Amino acid sequence: GQNIDQPTEMTATEGAIVQINCTYQTSGFNGLFWYQQHAGEAPTFLSYNVLDGLEEKGRFSSFLSRSKGYSYLLLKELQMKDSASYLCAVRESNYQLIWGAGTKLIIKP
Amino acid sequence: TAGITQAPTSQILAAGRSMTLRCTQDMRHNAMYWYRQDLGLGLRLIHYSNTAGTTGKGEVPDGYSVSRANTDDFPLTLASAVPSQTSVYFCASSDAGDGANVLTFGAGSRLTVL
Repeated sequence: GQNIDQPTEMTATEGAIVQINCTYQTSGFNGLFWYQQHAGEAPTFLSYNVLDGLEEKGRFSSFLSRSKGYSYLLLKELQMKDSASYLCAVRESNYQLIWGAGTKLIIKP
Repeated sequence: TAGITQAPTSQILAAGRSMTLRCTQDMRHNAMYWYRQDLGLGLRLIHYSNTAGTTGKGEVPDGYSVSRANTDDFPLTLASAVPSQTSVYFCASSDAGDGANVLTFGAGSRLTVL
């Protein structure tokens, strides 16, 4: 069946690096997305991976391994404003998006 | 500011009453979506529309209906609300010409059904 797993909550220190993992089992694969959602706000797009490897975008990087059904989001030089939930979503072969429940990231000074 | 406008921001509704959540976008995106977000669960697709005049059912369509009379508007109607429809509802849109089909979300409508 369809399933996306990501940790419920993580804590990290300002200035540090954190890696948020996402594993998936879906009906086919047509891309993986990461979205950021601050409390009480709308999700906003962070990254998109369709091929294996690392995509870097400033302080944020996203990695994909299709053979392992695995992705991670890497956040460097953490800032307090990075405190948010990070949502992993997989687009299946039929173009439907399956969403993980999100990882709440808490940044401590 | 270009984007998606949802209304109302929040609403308390008595069970059995009807309610329409409004969604308007000004980006001329052809695809629009309604999601609900509940604690501990991923976003779940209620209904979608790939283009004006067409709609489709998502993962959790029961108790909801939509219409897409034009490109900009995509209202979601609850005909007879039940407490299990208490949730945060997000409208989203995407441009099918964008290969990644990135979603742009509205700010959400928080609905409480008592």
